[in-house]
Amino acid sequence: EVQLVESGGSVVRPGGSLRLSCAASGFTFDDYGMSWVRQAPGKGLEWVSRINWNGDDTSYADSVKGRFSISRDNAKTSLYLQMNSLRAEDTALYYCARDRLRYSTWYYLYMEVWGKGTTVTVSS
Amino acid sequence: SYVLTQPPSVSVAPGQTARTTCGGNNIGSKSVHWYQQKPGQAPVLVVFDDSDRPSGIPERISGSKSGNTATLTISRVEAGDEADYYCQVWDSSTDHVVFGGGTKLTVL
Repeated sequence: EVQLVESGGSVVRPGGSLRLSCAASGFTFDDYGMSWVRQAPGKGLEWVSRINWNGDDTSYADSVKGRFSISRDNAKTSLYLQMNSLRAEDTALYYCARDRLRYSTWYYLYMEVWGKGTTVTVSS
Repeated sequence: SYVLTQPPSVSVAPGQTARTTCGGNNIGSKSVHWYQQKPGQAPVLVVFDDSDRPSGIPERISGSKSGNTATLTISRVEAGDEADYYCQVWDSSTDHVVFGGGTKLTVL
């Protein structure tokens, strides 16, 4: 069974740091790019970051660029999100998702498998 | 940055057809994907590449696109379809993923 399990969420003070992890199983991890998507309480989905299959290519939402860093360890089939300089507006449920990059008339990308999420609360 | 616009809510009676839209500049040259999120659950992909369905998604759920608007249609709506629905595209020029604001489907 394909499974993504996030961990590492907690309560942290503004300006603090946190590292989220996502353990993948049930598929060949290094065949896929991966993303982090977050959802603030009562709000919609917000894409945070993505990484390609071998970690050579990463991208970030403007709201987290320079503060967050995505990485992966294919040997451990795990995805990570290092979050620094945390702000109250980073409070959210953070989902790990498996990307699917395909080509028809053009390249397109979507998230075909999602974890259940881990909660990050930034508060003093 | 690229913006996708969805109506905040749509309501429909059981057995009827629900339609929700997703608009964006030049969306005709992008593939649109749709997710269903029920309360307290993670999102689930229901349509990819405008109109394809992943395995396990009922044929009652379909996607289409015309001009600058993509549409998710749910036929013969059931109480279990009550959820938030999000559209999504990938802006390849920036390598950014973009979600619409979401539409809450209420089954009356």
